[in-house]
Amino acid sequence: GQQLNQSPQSMFIQEGEDVSMNCTSSSIFNTWLWYKQDPGEGPVLLIALYKAGELTSNGRLTAQFGITRKDSFLNISASIPSDVGIYFCAGQLRDGGSQGNLIFGKGTKLSVK
Amino acid sequence: DSGVTQTPKHLITATGQRVTLRCSPRSGDLSVYWYQQSLDQGLQFLIQYYNGEERAKGNILERFSAQQFPDLHSELNLSSLELGDSALYFCASSSPPGGAKNIQYFGAGTRLSVL
Repeated sequence: GQQLNQSPQSMFIQEGEDVSMNCTSSSIFNTWLWYKQDPGEGPVLLIALYKAGELTSNGRLTAQFGITRKDSFLNISASIPSDVGIYFCAGQLRDGGSQGNLIFGKGTKLSVK
Repeated sequence: DSGVTQTPKHLITATGQRVTLRCSPRSGDLSVYWYQQSLDQGLQFLIQYYNGEERAKGNILERFSAQQFPDLHSELNLSSLELGDSALYFCASSSPPGGAKNIQYFGAGTRLSVL
């Protein structure tokens, strides 16, 4: 089945550092979404991207929809302790065969140094 | 609060048993999705319903089934439970059946422990 390769798998942050993570695939996506999951909770939507090349910000978070439609990245600037958690990318395939379900990356776990 | 309600929050049962997980979507949302998240794993799509009808199927075992009722709430039935079924089960909802602006909003999940 389709896969999203999300990296890094985990990273340790120090308060104030900038953080970057990305997702790549061999498939073309119509939509890229970035979610954050805190322990014991469901994923919460951070940013949604709909067009190739689109760059969208949400506070200290910035995400981009890759030009090839096969990748996306998420940056967090000036990280703070509450940024700790697991970040998931999710994509919706262009061919629509999946009728709206999302394919998720395996997540990037952010921890405090 | 996403507006998606899942019950129960925790469920502990024995192997071979059957359980039902319940999901109430956000007000107005017609689509419901079920996902399984095992320890330290990503989210695996199980099944989608739209306005009462099955719309898409993922890696759902034959021992699992789901349905969406006329009031749009959904239930996920897991039977002949095995130890490996222990996981977090999430429900998500969205409004359009898969259009370009489709965004899924997740509930807080049901943690299933099979002993």
